[in-house]
Amino acid sequence: DTEVTQTPKHLVMGMTNKKSLKCEQHMGHRAMYWYKQKAKKPPELMFVYSYEKLSINESVPSRFSPECPNSSLLNLHLHALQPEDSALYLCASSQDFQGPLFEQYFGPGTRLTVT
Amino acid sequence: GQNIDQPTEMTATEGAIVQINCTYQTSGFNGLFWYQQHAGEAPTFLSYNVLDGLEEKGRFSSFLSRSKGYSYLLLKELQMKDSASYLCAFAGNKLTFGGGTRVLVKP
Repeated sequence: DTEVTQTPKHLVMGMTNKKSLKCEQHMGHRAMYWYKQKAKKPPELMFVYSYEKLSINESVPSRFSPECPNSSLLNLHLHALQPEDSALYLCASSQDFQGPLFEQYFGPGTRLTVT
Repeated sequence: GQNIDQPTEMTATEGAIVQINCTYQTSGFNGLFWYQQHAGEAPTFLSYNVLDGLEEKGRFSSFLSRSKGYSYLLLKELQMKDSASYLCAFAGNKLTFGGGTRVLVKP
């Protein structure tokens, strides 16, 4: 199983809503990532979890809150988002955080629209 | 911060060869990745270079020169399905993507 799954595929939310994005992998990978991608732009790293601990937070606003309940799951909790937060949110995983085990497998993404 | 440079767009004919160049700043280098991304889909891994030289995988090859901060992705025998964006990604203490090169394959 070389798949990273993400739910939901699409999400529309108002600026006062609270929602969560979910990501799951069963490849035994110990590093998991959240990226944000705007149209015709490359993915931008938001968070990295390594061995279930937050390793990198790329100065992401606190309205985005990541959570890693176990080694297979990664959540992104959303609260009080702005319309400019509308984007494709990609989850990825890799065997490890650095070196040749760094190849990242991406999920299909959640397309988020904030109204 | 890291500055990765690759061309914005390239056009080529079916059956031809296209070379996508990527330059980067060499400090903190841990490897260089290439990903393919079709419109509306997630990136998929193509290649990883950490040592100098050419890595060949079927129709795709990737080259690295660490001292020059330079890599290229070579796509041979182009097919229509190769129309996509190709992302060069620098592995330092995290993965940083270049802006991507949109390749359009014409019949």
